Amino acid sequence: DAMVIQNPRYQVTQFGKPVTLSCSQTLNHNVMYWYQQKSSQAPKLLFHYYDKDFNNEADTPDNFQSRRPNTSFCFLDIRSPGLGDAAMYLCATGVGAGSPLHFGNGTRLTVT
Amino acid sequence: TQLLEQSPQFLSIQEGENLTVYCNSSSVFSSLQWYRQEPGEGPVLLVTVVTGGEVKKLKRLTFQFGDARKDSSLHITAAQPGDTGLYLCAGFSGNTPLVFGKGTRLSVIA
Repeated sequence: DAMVIQNPRYQVTQFGKPVTLSCSQTLNHNVMYWYQQKSSQAPKLLFHYYDKDFNNEADTPDNFQSRRPNTSFCFLDIRSPGLGDAAMYLCATGVGAGSPLHFGNGTRLTVT
Repeated sequence: TQLLEQSPQFLSIQEGENLTVYCNSSSVFSSLQWYRQEPGEGPVLLVTVVTGGEVKKLKRLTFQFGDARKDSSLHITAAQPGDTGLYLCAGFSGNTPLVFGKGTRLSVIA
């Protein structure tokens, strides 16, 4: 089945130690999104790609970076994780602006 | 800034009861989507509504989009434990990515 896969499902990192989360898709969607979701909060959009065009939300910290080397893969790099960055990170894909999103199962990041 | 307010934030009911959750905004949306998220998983799309006044049914779930396209409701008939999860609404206005509400966390007790 076509799907969105995130790895790893659970990630533990130390305060200040860089970490990379990955997302792959077999849907061939041209839009990919990264969301941060904390407990009892709405998913918060960090950035998204329309094809290779990168769109950074204004309030996304500089600590967060993203790469999309090809249509299928997208990475979220957190350069110096802080305790406040512990959250569920969700990757999603879509065919265009406003189209329904297909989410992966997320990576739960713990910062110690 | 467009905001979607969902209510109630938490809801715990007995199996077989009916319930309605709400998604409200002061902004107009060209479409609105509902998702359900189960613990440890990503949200899954339930429905998209695009026309003011539109009603869509998905088995025991009934979704309505307000006439002014500023609000929506989700009604569940005869809730079952399998309906347990976080229900998220998300609105699209044509010039920004989807805006999500904080969700309603539903617990259906057998």
